[in-house]
Amino acid sequence: DAGVTQSPTHLIKTRGQHVTLRCSPISGHKSVSWYQQVLGQGPQFIFQYYEKEERGRGNFPDRFSARQFPNYSSELNVNALLLGDSALYLCASSLAGVENEQFFGPGTRLTVL
Amino acid sequence: QKEVEQNSGPLSVPEGAIASLNCTYSDRVSQSFFWYRQYSGKSPELIMSIYSNGDKEDGRFTAQLNKASQYVSLLIRDSQPSDSATYLCAVIYNTDKLIFGTGTRLQVFP
Repeated sequence: DAGVTQSPTHLIKTRGQHVTLRCSPISGHKSVSWYQQVLGQGPQFIFQYYEKEERGRGNFPDRFSARQFPNYSSELNVNALLLGDSALYLCASSLAGVENEQFFGPGTRLTVL
Repeated sequence: QKEVEQNSGPLSVPEGAIASLNCTYSDRVSQSFFWYRQYSGKSPELIMSIYSNGDKEDGRFTAQLNKASQYVSLLIRDSQPSDSATYLCAVIYNTDKLIFGTGTRLQVFP
């Protein structure tokens, strides 16, 4: 069975631009969560979606938004990019809510110049 | 106080030894706890989940949970060089957020 997939794998943007990251969960999983990981730190929680509804939000500015589609895939959007947004963006899927075991995709490495 | 705290390490152990990784958390009502392993340049990989006080064993890995003391630990028996990685402790907060510690870097030397 395929695991969590994310696209693109790498991305380079300039300050002020917008970016869209995509995630497809493991088949049968209905929940997707997004995390930001900077070097030397653990992943930081951004959003959790379950059954296409937002169920949790971390301490990130409104420039960050997400949505989940009927097929349970998800997009993370970041507007007005800042240099500090450079990070590895991770998507994780679980059967139901975030309290279930979460399985991570390979991540998208975003570099903002 | 940080929500989830781990010693950043590195923790260095010889091959064949037991590696002990510790984590403390601040939310007394947390019920779900996880250990992830992350190799350099890769995404986190789930090793263990634990929900009840006591020990949970899976192969060479044992997770220990003490909710009264608010700590969770991971023991790795017969450590191998391939176990060298960063180990992340994660705790569910408010039933809707998975919060990670900064991770402990483990080095297993031959």
